[in-house]
Amino acid sequence: QSVLTQPPSVSGAPGQRVTISCTGSSSNIGAGYNVHWYQQLPGTAPKLLIYANNNRPSGVPDRFSGSKSGISASLAITGLQAEDEADYYCQSYDSSPIGSTWVFGGGTMLTVL
Amino acid sequence: QVQLQESGPGLVKPSQTLSLTCTVSGGSISSGGYYWSWIRQHPGKGLEWIGYIYYSGGTYYNPSLKSRITMSVDTSKNQFSLKLSSVTAADTAVYYCARDPYGGNSYFDYWGQGTLVTVSS
Repeated sequence: QSVLTQPPSVSGAPGQRVTISCTGSSSNIGAGYNVHWYQQLPGTAPKLLIYANNNRPSGVPDRFSGSKSGISASLAITGLQAEDEADYYCQSYDSSPIGSTWVFGGGTMLTVL
Repeated sequence: QVQLQESGPGLVKPSQTLSLTCTVSGGSISSGGYYWSWIRQHPGKGLEWIGYIYYSGGTYYNPSLKSRITMSVDTSKNQFSLKLSSVTAADTAVYYCARDPYGGNSYFDYWGQGTLVTVSS
């Protein structure tokens, strides 16, 4: 059971826009901690896609964008392409009485129809 | 360009200790300012942060795994290592090493390719 909740799968046709949600709680996203997003292509390591809620590392297309509000965050992908088919993970920081940890969502599989 | 590479046995027997090393190239661990983490991914599942080590040797571990983890750093070899004791089948996973540029409320900007460790007799 992941600390952050994501839908198991989403899909869209080429050229469409899709969004992936990430829901946390008052000890992580709701506490004001940043949300980051990773893309994992089959058989490869996760790759940083969005950091600090809505910032793209160099080389990441502006088709990818992030937002955050309250205890949730979202990743939006516009102009969907076949190469976007991958697993996407959100990540944040969680602070609780037992300690602080970096936490991830369970991942969302994006299928390009 | 920073690169990380995990190495270590792919098969560990139950109750034994899992040992992995991450070799960093394209940057020096001893230059400071970065937190070097281990993260694992159980087969077909999500990601779990294990812990980090700083170049000075300071560590911070996931509270749920803390009793079984030891991390170390060898700045002369530009490597850092993970030891996970008393392993069970539940520790079977792909293990990644990764760099966190800030620690705390931060992210992982460089990852190794990952290494699969299977716990089985």
